Parts: sequence; structure tokens; C-alpha cells
Amino acid sequence: DAMVIQNPRYQVTQFGKPVTLSCSQTLNHNVMYWYQQKSSQAPKLLFHYYDKDFNNEADTPDNFQSRRPNTSFCFLDIRSPGLGDAAMYLCATSRALGNNEQFFGPGTRLTVL
Amino acid sequence: AQKVTQAQTEISVVEKEDVTLDCVYETRDTTYYLFWYKQPPSGELVFLIRRNSFDEQNEISGRYSWNFQKSTSSFNFTITASQVVDSAVYFCALSNYNTDKLIFGTGTRLQVFP
Repeated sequence: DAMVIQNPRYQVTQFGKPVTLSCSQTLNHNVMYWYQQKSSQAPKLLFHYYDKDFNNEADTPDNFQSRRPNTSFCFLDIRSPGLGDAAMYLCATSRALGNNEQFFGPGTRLTVL
Repeated sequence: AQKVTQAQTEISVVEKEDVTLDCVYETRDTTYYLFWYKQPPSGELVFLIRRNSFDEQNEISGRYSWNFQKSTSSFNFTITASQVVDSAVYFCALSNYNTDKLIFGTGTRLQVFP
């Protein structure tokens, strides 16, 4: 089945230690998104890629970076995780820009010690 | 400013009851899209419906129905004859025509007890 895959499902890192979260998709969608969802809160968009074009949300901290080496993969890099970065990170894809349905992965729950 | 309000933080019902989840939105744009997503305990957000601002027709899909009323800026979601598997957090979201950014409400946690 075509899907959005996130690895790992659970990630534990230490305060200040860089961490990378992975997302892959078999849908061949052009757009990939990263959302941050803190406990009992709504998901919040961090950034998205339309093909290779990167679009950062204005309030996304510089500590968060992203890479998209090819259509299928997208990575979220947190350069120096703080305790406040502990959250669920959701990857999503859509076929194109323009309010298309977004397909979400199962998320990676990040714990910062 | 764009905003989505889901005033019901948590709702508990017994199986087979009908339940309505409320969603009120704010936007100055005339063209926009509204969405409902379900987030079960497993974590992924599951798309339920997308509605554009020019289509006020109500929609029914099995036990699910949606009531879109522009006059009250509401897009409410009703589950008929609820089941335990409906237990999840439900998010209403808004997106404007020229952006793919989803503005989510804070979600409503639905618990359906047997």
C-alpha cells in the first residue's frame, strides 16, 4: 500500500545532541510537510517542500532544518534539541500545492532528556 | 487573522449515541477550505473530508455527516450511532486558497464507551 513512513517511531536524545528524523513516501507526491505537535495541542506547520523548493514558516526556530534529497525522502534535523522540543513530529505529503488532501505518517515521538 | 475554534475539549458518549463535534472558524478570505482529520491513539492524522467555501451542501458518508454553514462560520461533524472505534481526537482545520498551510483547531477528544 502506498503510504507515508516515519522512522523511528520513538526517539530519545539528550539536551543539545543533534537528532535527525526521517520520513519517506511511496505516493510520489510533490509536496512534503513537517509538523510539530506538542502534548494535547494542535499540529503546527514547521516547513514544507514543493519538489526541491523549501518553504519555512516565519515562526519556525533556526534550530530546525530540513533536507529533501529526492522525491521520496525528507529529513528533519534538530541541531540542538531543548527540553521544549519534546513533541510528536508528523510528516505529511500532498500531490500538489493548492489545498489538496494531506496524507500523514504515524509520527515520531521525540523525548529530550 | 485565521483561526479555528473547537470549544469542546473532550466528549464522552456511550456506544450507539449520536455525537456532534463543533467547529467555528474565522477568516477574511472569500475562498478557503475546511477539513476534518481523525487522530486515533496510533498517532497519524487520518483525512476525513475537505470542503471548499463555495460548497455549502451538507455531506453524508456512512455514519459521518458534516454541516457547513457560512452564515455562522461553522463546520460541524456528526457521528451517528457511535462505536468504540470512533474514539480518537478529531481536528478541524482551515486553509486559504493561496496557501497549503493548515490552521488546526485544538481538537476534540471523543471517548466512546461500550
